[in-house]
Amino acid sequence: DTGVSQNPRHKITKRGQNVTFRCDPISEHNRLYWYRQTLGQGPEFLTYFQNEAQLEKSRLLSDRFSAERPKGSFSTLEIQRTEQGDSAMYLCASSFVAGSFYEQYFGPGTRLTVT
Amino acid sequence: QKEVEQNSGPLSVPEGAIASLNCTYSDRGSQSFFWYRQYSGKSPELIMFIYSNGDKEDGRFTAQLNKASQYVSLLIRDSQPSDSATYLCAVKTSYDKVIFGPGTSLSVIP
Repeated sequence: DTGVSQNPRHKITKRGQNVTFRCDPISEHNRLYWYRQTLGQGPEFLTYFQNEAQLEKSRLLSDRFSAERPKGSFSTLEIQRTEQGDSAMYLCASSFVAGSFYEQYFGPGTRLTVT
Repeated sequence: QKEVEQNSGPLSVPEGAIASLNCTYSDRGSQSFFWYRQYSGKSPELIMFIYSNGDKEDGRFTAQLNKASQYVSLLIRDSQPSDSATYLCAVKTSYDKVIFGPGTSLSVIP
């Protein structure tokens, strides 16, 4: 399977705990994106990487969120001191950006529940 | 004004009919446009992309783009119950970001 993979698929945590999610993009893709999606809404942009460089981070993202993509391969998204409002589906997508081609392919997502 | 807007639905069509989904966007410099299908509890799946004005057909799906009107649509011919899902419109803006609309829920009634 050469699609985008994410782990874990589900995470239940208590408020105040730290959580980390992993995303493995499609191998030849040079961009990796993180989104958050809540019920009834479209995916909300969090951050993205071009190879290993983090090019943009949403202003909606608090300092409790951090993402890395060491060596331009897999990426991790960490949420520190989780809050109930962090409960959502966290989606990772990757794309090969060349010229105007920007098709993004999503992984299965990690559903986070903060109790 | 939201950057990408869609009718929230739900849109209900009988099996075999044409489903028409609409999307408008605010950034006139937007260049690339995408339609994703999302089943309940699943992640979005790319089904169509269109970069030039006009129509693009792929099987039962047709994407239509009118940049002057800042409008993009998705037509689903011969709708099937398996097409029941939420359809997300996504737009690559002039400032190099892909923005998603809130989605339109489609229900195909057998």
